[in-house]
Amino acid sequence: DVKVTQSSRYLVKRTGEKVFLECVQDMDHENMFWYRQDPGLGLRLIYFSYDVKMKEKGDIPEGYSVSREKKERFSLILESASTNQTSMYLCASSVGGDYGYTFGSGTRLTVV
Amino acid sequence: EDQVTQSPEALRLQEGESSSLNCSYTVSGLRGLFWYRQDPGKGPEFLFTLYSAGEEKEKERLKATLTKKESFLHITAPKPEDSATYLCAVRSGTASKLTFGTGTRLQVTL
Repeated sequence: DVKVTQSSRYLVKRTGEKVFLECVQDMDHENMFWYRQDPGLGLRLIYFSYDVKMKEKGDIPEGYSVSREKKERFSLILESASTNQTSMYLCASSVGGDYGYTFGSGTRLTVV
Repeated sequence: EDQVTQSPEALRLQEGESSSLNCSYTVSGLRGLFWYRQDPGKGPEFLFTLYSAGEEKEKERLKATLTKKESFLHITAPKPEDSATYLCAVRSGTASKLTFGTGTRLQVTL
């Protein structure tokens, strides 16, 4: 089975901190994605990547950046965390084409 | 811009009481409609992909169908373990990214 592993299940950070969320997949997938999930708003795409060192903005990239130095690892960076970034963050990967995603278990981030 | 609307927001069924969840979509050039199941505190788990109108797929008590404007997830004789949030998503054009609906929260009681 494809596994997508997110390094933390729960995180609590202070306003203004720089936050790193890590995601690793073990099936050599080309595509990786970061979503956030909020009640009533569903999953919204933050950033995605089709290849190493390649990134594209999703629907809500403001306040975030990403890094993909290796094919298996896709990091989400909150440059200066704010309380409105409190959310569930979900990483996903896919082989591309018409295939669906495999999701990680999520990181619930609280910014205080 | 792709849009996905799911209804109802929440559904409570008794064990054995069959029902359907709806996913309406607006896309330019559908390349796949996806159903996922999400348990509380976990990431979504893939269920089905449908590609063209008239297509149907089944898995245990679940059957997904697709028309040109909507998809239905039919749940036959549900059990309490079917309780979860069910998410619908679409892919269009040449991109690999998915656009999700807000989900239907299903609760099945004894």
